Amino acid sequence: GQQLNQSPQSMFIQEGEDVSMNCTSSSIFNTWLWYKQDPGEGPVLLIALYKAGELTSNGRLTAQFGITRKDSFLNISASIPSDVGIYFCAGRGGATNKLIFGTGTLLAVQP
Amino acid sequence: GAGVSQTPSNKVTEKGKYVELRCDPISGHTALYWYRQSLGQGPEFLIYFQGTGAADDSGLPNDRFFAVRPEGSVSTLKIQRTERGDSAVYLCASSPGYGNTEAFFGQGTRLTVV
Repeated sequence: GQQLNQSPQSMFIQEGEDVSMNCTSSSIFNTWLWYKQDPGEGPVLLIALYKAGELTSNGRLTAQFGITRKDSFLNISASIPSDVGIYFCAGRGGATNKLIFGTGTLLAVQP
Repeated sequence: GAGVSQTPSNKVTEKGKYVELRCDPISGHTALYWYRQSLGQGPEFLIYFQGTGAADDSGLPNDRFFAVRPEGSVSTLKIQRTERGDSAVYLCASSPGYGNTEAFFGQGTRLTVV
């Protein structure tokens, strides 16, 4: 199935460090969403972006909608152990406006 | 309801059997999505409803998979002649409507075909 390219695939960091991850697409999107998924749960929405160049924050999380509309970035500052999980980007666009997900970034935070 | 509800949470079935997975979206949400997630992968798009009609069913892997949403609310994903490769978590999401709106997920149904 169709999925977006997301990197890095995994990250192992120390508590307090900042984290960056990104997502790229060959198609233009009109919405970018970032989700976090814990084991056995559905993805939980973190941040939504609606305009090219938009920069949006949610606490320690900051995400940007790339100006080309083909990429997006998520930054987490001062990571804490509960940030552990899998982070997914998702883009919406195309003729039918369907929502396509990235391959995911596994984040592990060592106290 | 307060969130997207999926039932059952777990389903074990024998190869060749028929299964139905149910999704109750957030009240008032007109858009509904089905995804399939295999271990270690991102959610893979299956089908998207806007109201009662399937706006995009291009992700359904073959004609054994079918989904309905007859009244524009609850949706059922139906899988005929299940195969072991159908084993995955099936996720449902809903959003307020067409266009730039956020999608909210249920907890998923874990399907195991033995």
